[in-house]
Amino acid sequence: EPEVTQTPSHQVTQMGQEVILRCVPISNHLYFYWYRQILGQKVEFLVSFYNNEISEKSEIFDDQFSVERPDGSNFTLKIRSTKLEDSAMYFCASRDLGTTYGYTFGSGTRLTVV
Amino acid sequence: KNEVEQSPQNLTAQEGEFITINCSYSVGISALHWLQQHPGGGIVSLFMLSSGKKKHGRLIATINIQEKHSSLHITASHPRDSAVYICAVSKGAQKLVFGQGTRLTINP
Repeated sequence: EPEVTQTPSHQVTQMGQEVILRCVPISNHLYFYWYRQILGQKVEFLVSFYNNEISEKSEIFDDQFSVERPDGSNFTLKIRSTKLEDSAMYFCASRDLGTTYGYTFGSGTRLTVV
Repeated sequence: KNEVEQSPQNLTAQEGEFITINCSYSVGISALHWLQQHPGGGIVSLFMLSSGKKKHGRLIATINIQEKHSSLHITASHPRDSAVYICAVSKGAQKLVFGQGTRLTINP
């Protein structure tokens, strides 16, 4: 069964450092998303991406965040200057509107900012 | 007020019991999704519903569009069903809006 692959699975970074979280969506999916889940809280939407551009972003997705699809397969989330409150599990998801289940999620990247 | 509310927040049951988790939403949607989150954190899609009822193995999901309510049922529950079950809603290809999840524990 096709999978969404996320790397790394865990990352620890110093406050103020830049991090790049990587995702390989399912190849024939058209819509891509990043979500995050702070420990003990519900999953929150960050950004959606379609046709090589951002289609929607949340209030959380401020200027320190950016997304790219640099080579037609990878989908990256960059956090320019990490803060302690960016510590969370980050999930990539992709979607093809024709699928039975809708969304396929990656296994997540646990980001810890120290 | 949260757009998606789940109940109960926590549920503990004995193996074999019939489980029901409820979800209510307050916005117009194109689909409702039931997701499972394992202790390691990974999220798996269980169902996507726009009307009626779907069944997969021991899992059954129903939705009542008029009442803006959905239920997830697990028959003959098993300890391996222990997980967090999350209700989420979507409009077209737009973002998912998540409920806070129901932590289910099935004891042997």
